[in-house]
Amino acid sequence: QVQLVQSGGGVVQPGGSLKLSCVASGFSFSSHGMHWVRRPPGRGLEWMAFIKFDGSQKEYPESVKGRFSISRDNSKNRLFLELNSVTAEDTAIYYCVKDICDGDRCGHDYWGQGTLVAVSS
Amino acid sequence: EIVLTQSPATLSLSPGERATLSCGASQYIFTRLAWYQQTGGQTPRLLIYDASRRATGIPARFSGSMSGTDFTLTITSLEPEDSAVYYCQQRDSWPITFGQGTRLEI
Repeated sequence: QVQLVQSGGGVVQPGGSLKLSCVASGFSFSSHGMHWVRRPPGRGLEWMAFIKFDGSQKEYPESVKGRFSISRDNSKNRLFLELNSVTAEDTAIYYCVKDICDGDRCGHDYWGQGTLVAVSS
Repeated sequence: EIVLTQSPATLSLSPGERATLSCGASQYIFTRLAWYQQTGGQTPRLLIYDASRRATGIPARFSGSMSGTDFTLTITSLEPEDSAVYYCQQRDSWPITFGQGTRLEI
């Protein structure tokens, strides 16, 4: 069955960096676009990044563009999110997410277990 | 950026009743809208994508519809376990955006 197992969260100081990882299994990882989505405490879901199946396209919201970087290693079925210059606003549970698409009609059908990133001095 | 506005913010209903959750898009997004359910501290679950297509394993009590830029998630025969926050999400253009959520209390 499909599994997305995340690691790499924790406490990071303001202005610091952190790299999140997600290992995928149970599906053809190299054939699927992948995303990161976060949920800050007490707030709703926020989409953070997308990477195309082959890594040729990456997208971010303006709030993190230039600070966050999504990447993947299809040879190891791994997805990454590097967070740089973090602020308290980046404190959240981060989810690794797989897409299901019918043409260009898509949804996030599998989610990792979530990993907490807490920005604190 | 496409803004999604969900209403109501909170909805309180009884078991067996019908819930109607709304999501309005700030511009036309075709059928590129998905609905998610998040219960407590669990991971979100995909309910509907392509505005009306049920995801695998989602019961027929959950249905999605659209009219122009207005989208609706309908849940019939409510059960206590349907208590959750429901989010809509647009997949028409970058950046992908979510609505602010509707809390459903059973």
